[in-house]
Amino acid sequence: DQQVKQNSPSLSVQEGRISILNCDYTNSMFDYFLWYKKYPAEGPTFLISISSIKDKNEDGRFTVFLNKSAKHLSLHIVPSQPGDSAVYFCAASASGNTGKLIFGQGTTLQVKP
Amino acid sequence: NAGVMQNPRHLVRRRGQEARLRCSPMKGHSHVYWYRQLPEEGLKFMVYLQKENIIDESGMPKERFSAEFPKEGPSILRIQQVVRGDSAAYFCASSPLGLGDSPLHFGNGTRLTVT
Repeated sequence: DQQVKQNSPSLSVQEGRISILNCDYTNSMFDYFLWYKKYPAEGPTFLISISSIKDKNEDGRFTVFLNKSAKHLSLHIVPSQPGDSAVYFCAASASGNTGKLIFGQGTTLQVKP
Repeated sequence: NAGVMQNPRHLVRRRGQEARLRCSPMKGHSHVYWYRQLPEEGLKFMVYLQKENIIDESGMPKERFSAEFPKEGPSILRIQQVVRGDSAAYFCASSPLGLGDSPLHFGNGTRLTVT
């Protein structure tokens, strides 16, 4: 039972354009969501998070949007840069278990120069 | 300021051998989490430990796997009698607190290959 789903295995974007990565979840108990970025042979690196009391959180080029009614969140990267090419994981947790994360399968983003 | 340190980075074991994976959390972090990533999949939670305590092991396979985080020294994930299906990347993460909005900091993982 996949509680967090990233339905697009890969995404290719031109440098300077917007990258939009999507994530859906099924468990209504999730109230904290995170995005991690992962390069090959490295561990995931925290990018940005959002609590369920918000619908948007912004940090530089990265913005996460949360639609609780649709159980959907997205990560926007503007403008995209070649160094953003990596695997992006969406993760979720329920209150009191913020270290126990449920990860999606990941989306591989390729930003072309 | 060292991050989460995992060793070894790569580990090759024959079927039936034991694998020991070590994790030193970030300085000041007393909470450790182990995750496993099988090929083409996301990371899956295995176990959450504090010093000398296992808090949540709901993601650990029932047999052959064990974890500890002693008062002194690194956290150890131990896999006895490894099988080919244990081949995966094992990531350790730490946080200063188990609760709250502090995101997990991950190490670079140990890639276990069972031949």
